[in-house]
Amino acid sequence: GAGVSQTPSNKVTEKGKYVELRCDPISGHTALYWYRQSLGQGPEFLIYFQGTGAADDSGLPNDRFFAVRPEGSVSTLKIQRTERGDSAVYLCASSWTSGKNNEQFFGPGTRLTVL
Amino acid sequence: AQSVTQLDSQVPVFEEAPVELRCNYSSSVSVYLFWYVQYPNQGLQLLLKYLSGSTLVKGINGFEAEFNKSQTSFHLRKPSVHISDTAEYFCAVKQAGTALIFGKGTTLSVSS
Repeated sequence: GAGVSQTPSNKVTEKGKYVELRCDPISGHTALYWYRQSLGQGPEFLIYFQGTGAADDSGLPNDRFFAVRPEGSVSTLKIQRTERGDSAVYLCASSWTSGKNNEQFFGPGTRLTVL
Repeated sequence: AQSVTQLDSQVPVFEEAPVELRCNYSSSVSVYLFWYVQYPNQGLQLLLKYLSGSTLVKGINGFEAEFNKSQTSFHLRKPSVHISDTAEYFCAVKQAGTALIFGKGTTLSVSS
Protein backbone atom coordinates (compact mmCIF):
# COMPACT_ATOMS: atom_id res chain seq x y z
CA GLY A 1 0.00 0.00 0.00
CA ALA A 2 0.92 3.65 -0.09
CA GLY A 3 3.44 4.95 2.36
CA VAL A 4 3.51 8.22 4.25
CA SER A 5 3.27 11.16 1.88
CA GLN A 6 4.18 14.78 2.51
CA THR A 7 3.38 17.87 0.51
CA PRO A 8 4.92 19.99 -0.74
CA SER A 9 8.28 18.32 -1.23
CA ASN A 10 9.94 21.72 -1.28
CA LYS A 11 8.77 25.06 0.04
CA VAL A 12 10.60 28.35 -0.31
CA THR A 13 9.20 31.30 1.59
CA GLU A 14 10.24 34.70 2.84
CA LYS A 15 10.98 35.61 6.40
CA GLY A 16 7.81 36.54 8.24
CA LYS A 17 5.44 34.53 6.06
CA TYR A 18 3.08 31.76 7.16
CA VAL A 19 3.49 28.18 5.88
CA GLU A 20 1.55 24.95 6.12
CA LEU A 21 3.08 21.51 5.65
CA ARG A 22 0.86 18.51 5.10
CA CYS A 23 1.29 14.87 6.07
CA ASP A 24 -0.83 11.93 4.87
CA PRO A 25 -0.12 8.92 7.10
CA ILE A 26 -0.50 5.28 6.19
CA SER A 27 -4.18 4.37 6.27
CA GLY A 28 -5.21 3.02 9.66
CA HIS A 29 -2.23 4.35 11.57
CA THR A 30 -3.44 6.11 14.71
CA ALA A 31 -0.12 7.64 15.79
CA LEU A 32 1.46 10.45 13.80
CA TYR A 33 4.75 12.20 14.51
CA TRP A 34 6.44 15.36 13.27
CA TYR A 35 10.21 15.76 13.35
CA ARG A 36 12.57 18.46 12.10
CA GLN A 37 15.97 17.67 10.61
CA SER A 38 18.44 20.50 10.29
CA LEU A 39 21.52 20.19 8.09
CA GLY A 40 24.02 17.77 9.56
CA GLN A 41 21.76 16.80 12.44
CA GLY A 42 19.51 13.92 13.34
CA PRO A 43 15.74 14.31 13.30
CA GLU A 44 14.43 16.27 16.27
CA PHE A 45 11.02 15.49 17.73
CA LEU A 46 8.38 18.22 17.50
CA ILE A 47 4.95 16.76 18.29
CA TYR A 48 3.01 13.54 18.14
CA PHE A 49 -0.68 12.70 17.87
CA GLN A 50 -2.57 9.67 19.06
CA GLY A 51 -5.78 9.95 17.10
CA THR A 52 -6.96 13.54 16.91
CA GLY A 53 -5.27 14.80 20.05
CA ALA A 54 -1.71 15.93 20.57
CA ALA A 55 -0.30 13.43 23.04
CA ASP A 56 3.02 15.23 23.38
CA ASP A 57 3.88 18.65 21.98
CA SER A 58 6.94 19.24 24.14
CA GLY A 59 9.24 19.42 21.12
CA LEU A 60 7.60 22.44 19.50
CA PRO A 61 10.27 25.17 19.75
CA ASN A 62 7.92 28.09 20.38
CA ASP A 63 4.37 29.31 19.90
CA ARG A 64 4.93 30.06 16.22
CA PHE A 65 4.63 26.32 15.60
CA PHE A 66 1.29 24.56 15.71
CA ALA A 67 -0.05 21.27 14.36
CA VAL A 68 -3.50 19.81 13.92
CA ARG A 69 -5.02 16.48 13.02
CA PRO A 70 -8.76 17.17 13.08
CA GLU A 71 -10.04 13.84 11.78
CA GLY A 72 -7.32 11.57 13.07
CA SER A 73 -5.73 11.07 9.67
CA VAL A 74 -4.12 13.93 7.75
CA SER A 75 -2.04 16.35 9.78
CA THR A 76 -0.91 19.90 9.06
CA LEU A 77 2.10 21.58 10.63
CA LYS A 78 1.69 25.34 10.68
CA ILE A 79 4.49 27.84 11.14
CA GLN A 80 3.72 31.52 11.66
CA ARG A 81 6.10 34.41 11.10
CA THR A 82 8.78 32.16 9.69
CA GLU A 83 12.41 32.85 10.52
CA ARG A 84 15.57 31.84 8.69
CA GLY A 85 16.34 29.42 11.50
CA ASP A 86 13.20 27.46 10.63
CA SER A 87 14.88 26.25 7.44
CA ALA A 88 15.10 22.46 7.68
CA VAL A 89 13.58 19.24 6.41
CA TYR A 90 10.32 18.50 8.19
CA LEU A 91 9.64 14.79 8.52
CA CYS A 92 6.38 13.07 9.26
CA ALA A 93 6.04 9.48 10.48
CA SER A 94 3.12 7.25 11.37
CA SER A 95 2.61 3.98 13.22
CA TRP A 96 -0.29 1.74 14.23
CA THR A 97 -0.10 3.06 17.78
CA SER A 98 2.55 4.72 19.91
CA GLY A 99 3.52 1.51 21.68
CA LYS A 100 7.01 0.12 21.64
CA ASN A 101 6.33 -2.62 19.11
CA ASN A 102 5.07 -0.30 16.46
CA GLU A 103 7.51 0.75 13.78
CA GLN A 104 7.37 4.35 12.68
CA PHE A 105 7.23 4.72 8.90
CA PHE A 106 8.69 7.97 7.63
CA GLY A 107 7.68 10.13 4.74
CA PRO A 108 10.20 11.72 2.35
CA GLY A 109 10.00 15.07 4.11
CA THR A 110 9.31 18.67 3.15
CA ARG A 111 12.37 20.83 2.66
CA LEU A 112 11.54 24.32 3.96
CA THR A 113 13.78 27.23 3.00
CA VAL A 114 13.17 30.61 4.59
CA LEU A 115 14.90 33.44 2.74
CA ALA B 1 16.00 12.85 29.93
CA GLN B 2 17.02 10.52 27.18
CA SER B 3 19.89 11.26 24.83
CA VAL B 4 21.81 9.45 22.12
CA THR B 5 25.45 9.92 21.19
CA GLN B 6 26.86 8.63 17.94
CA LEU B 7 30.56 8.63 18.49
CA ASP B 8 31.69 8.96 14.88
CA SER B 9 30.32 11.56 12.51
CA GLN B 10 32.00 9.98 9.48
CA VAL B 11 33.26 6.46 8.83
CA PRO B 12 35.11 5.79 5.56
CA VAL B 13 35.70 2.13 4.67
CA PHE B 14 36.65 0.05 1.68
CA GLU B 15 34.25 -2.34 0.04
CA GLU B 16 34.10 -5.81 1.65
CA ALA B 17 35.67 -4.53 4.88
CA PRO B 18 33.86 -4.89 8.21
CA VAL B 19 32.35 -1.82 9.83
CA GLU B 20 31.09 -0.79 13.26
CA LEU B 21 29.05 2.34 13.89
CA ARG B 22 28.99 3.26 17.54
CA CYS B 23 26.02 4.44 19.56
CA ASN B 24 25.68 5.20 23.26
CA TYR B 25 22.51 6.28 25.02
CA SER B 26 21.56 7.67 28.38
CA SER B 27 18.29 7.02 30.11
CA SER B 28 17.12 6.40 33.64
CA VAL B 29 14.43 3.95 32.55
CA SER B 30 14.09 1.02 30.19
CA VAL B 31 14.31 2.05 26.58
CA TYR B 32 13.91 0.59 23.15
CA LEU B 33 16.68 1.07 20.62
CA PHE B 34 16.66 1.50 16.87
CA TRP B 35 18.94 2.02 13.90
CA TYR B 36 17.63 3.86 10.86
CA VAL B 37 19.30 4.38 7.49
CA GLN B 38 18.81 7.36 5.19
CA TYR B 39 19.99 6.95 1.61
CA PRO B 40 20.65 10.13 -0.39
CA ASN B 41 17.40 11.94 -1.18
CA GLN B 42 15.30 9.25 0.47
CA GLY B 43 13.31 8.93 3.69
CA LEU B 44 14.39 7.14 6.84
CA GLN B 45 14.17 3.36 6.78
CA LEU B 46 14.27 1.06 9.80
CA LEU B 47 17.33 -1.23 9.81
CA LEU B 48 16.71 -3.04 13.10
CA LYS B 49 15.35 -2.61 16.59
CA TYR B 50 15.87 -3.93 20.10
CA LEU B 51 12.75 -4.18 22.25
CA SER B 52 13.59 -7.05 24.63
CA GLY B 53 15.03 -10.57 24.67
CA SER B 54 18.22 -11.51 22.87
CA THR B 55 20.77 -8.72 22.99
CA LEU B 56 22.00 -9.50 19.46
CA VAL B 57 19.57 -8.16 16.92
CA LYS B 58 19.69 -8.89 13.22
CA GLY B 59 18.29 -6.50 10.68
CA ILE B 60 17.99 -5.96 6.98
CA ASN B 61 20.84 -5.85 4.49
CA GLY B 62 23.12 -7.99 6.67
CA PHE B 63 23.37 -5.52 9.55
CA GLU B 64 23.26 -6.50 13.19
CA ALA B 65 23.53 -4.69 16.51
CA GLU B 66 24.25 -5.69 20.07
CA PHE B 67 22.53 -4.18 23.07
CA ASN B 68 24.88 -3.79 26.03
CA LYS B 69 23.00 -2.56 29.07
CA SER B 70 26.04 -2.17 31.33
CA GLN B 71 27.80 0.00 28.78
CA THR B 72 24.57 1.64 27.56
CA SER B 73 25.60 0.96 23.99
CA PHE B 74 23.93 -0.29 20.84
CA HIS B 75 26.65 -0.54 18.20
CA LEU B 76 25.79 -1.43 14.61
CA ARG B 77 27.97 -3.89 12.68
CA LYS B 78 28.27 -5.44 9.28
CA PRO B 79 30.97 -8.01 8.45
CA SER B 80 31.38 -6.98 4.81
CA VAL B 81 30.07 -3.71 3.37
CA HIS B 82 29.04 -2.88 -0.17
CA ILE B 83 29.18 0.35 -2.11
CA SER B 84 25.39 0.46 -1.82
CA ASP B 85 25.66 0.74 1.97
CA THR B 86 26.87 4.31 1.59
CA ALA B 87 24.31 6.34 3.52
CA GLU B 88 23.59 8.22 6.73
CA TYR B 89 22.88 6.02 9.76
CA PHE B 90 20.93 7.16 12.79
CA CYS B 91 20.69 5.55 16.19
CA ALA B 92 17.50 6.29 18.14
CA VAL B 93 16.00 5.57 21.56
CA LYS B 94 12.39 5.44 22.64
CA GLN B 95 10.21 4.79 25.65
CA ALA B 96 6.72 3.35 25.30
CA GLY B 97 4.28 6.08 24.36
CA THR B 98 6.92 8.59 23.33
CA ALA B 99 8.58 9.67 20.14
CA LEU B 100 12.04 8.69 18.95
CA ILE B 101 15.12 10.56 20.15
CA PHE B 102 17.80 10.46 17.46
CA GLY B 103 21.54 10.83 17.47
CA LYS B 104 23.25 13.24 15.09
CA GLY B 105 24.02 10.52 12.58
CA THR B 106 27.06 8.77 11.13
CA THR B 107 27.94 9.06 7.46
CA LEU B 108 29.18 5.74 6.14
CA SER B 109 31.19 6.10 2.95
CA VAL B 110 32.13 2.89 1.17
CA SER B 111 34.68 3.08 -1.62
CA SER B 112 36.17 0.50 -3.96
